[in-house]
Amino acid sequence: AQSVTQLGSHVSVSEGALVLLRCNYSSSVPPYLFWYVQYPNQGLQLLLKYTTGATLVKGINGFEAEFKKSETSFHLTKPSAHMSDAAEYFCAVTFGNEKLTFGTGTRLTIIP
Amino acid sequence: KAGVTQTPRYLIKTRGQQVTLSCSPISGHRSVSWYQQTPGQGLQFLFEYFSETQRNKGNFPGRFSGRQFSNSRSEMNVSTLELGDSALYLCASTPQGLGEKLFFGSGTQLSVL
Repeated sequence: AQSVTQLGSHVSVSEGALVLLRCNYSSSVPPYLFWYVQYPNQGLQLLLKYTTGATLVKGINGFEAEFKKSETSFHLTKPSAHMSDAAEYFCAVTFGNEKLTFGTGTRLTIIP
Repeated sequence: KAGVTQTPRYLIKTRGQQVTLSCSPISGHRSVSWYQQTPGQGLQFLFEYFSETQRNKGNFPGRFSGRQFSNSRSEMNVSTLELGDSALYLCASTPQGLGEKLFFGSGTQLSVL
């Protein structure tokens, strides 16, 4: 069975500092991995996704994530946090058209 | 292109009632999936419809059902509402399936009193 774990339900970083949100997955076959962002009172928006190929994936708003099979990880990073990055972030996993499993989410707070 | 539209935006029901939520996908998208979001359980997958057929199903009781019409619009029904069904219900659409980028609606906030 597939699953995804996000370490840290709340993360606070200073404006301009590195953002690192952690995601580990469990699956018996190569997964498709996603990061979504949710702003207050809105639906989710895709930041980036990994299917196959290059393990370093660049997304929108300066975010990127690296697929590390040996560590079963797909951590999300951004070199310099901006106030507008404050939101909730979800990691998700699926195999192709199988059901989509989300992590529990990480709420990112940016300290001015 | 118009985005994914969910109606109504807010809904208040009482225990034992039933409710129907509606989702209009992006034009040309054939896959519609539904999710329940609560503070305690996070985001949980309910089901996915593709070309009017349920293709994938999450671990929810039979009180939760859905359907998809020939124009890809989808409805979700919850019968015999319980207090624990209070949640934000999100739908998402993609051209073909869950391995693609999901386009989410803003959700329907259901409160069960």
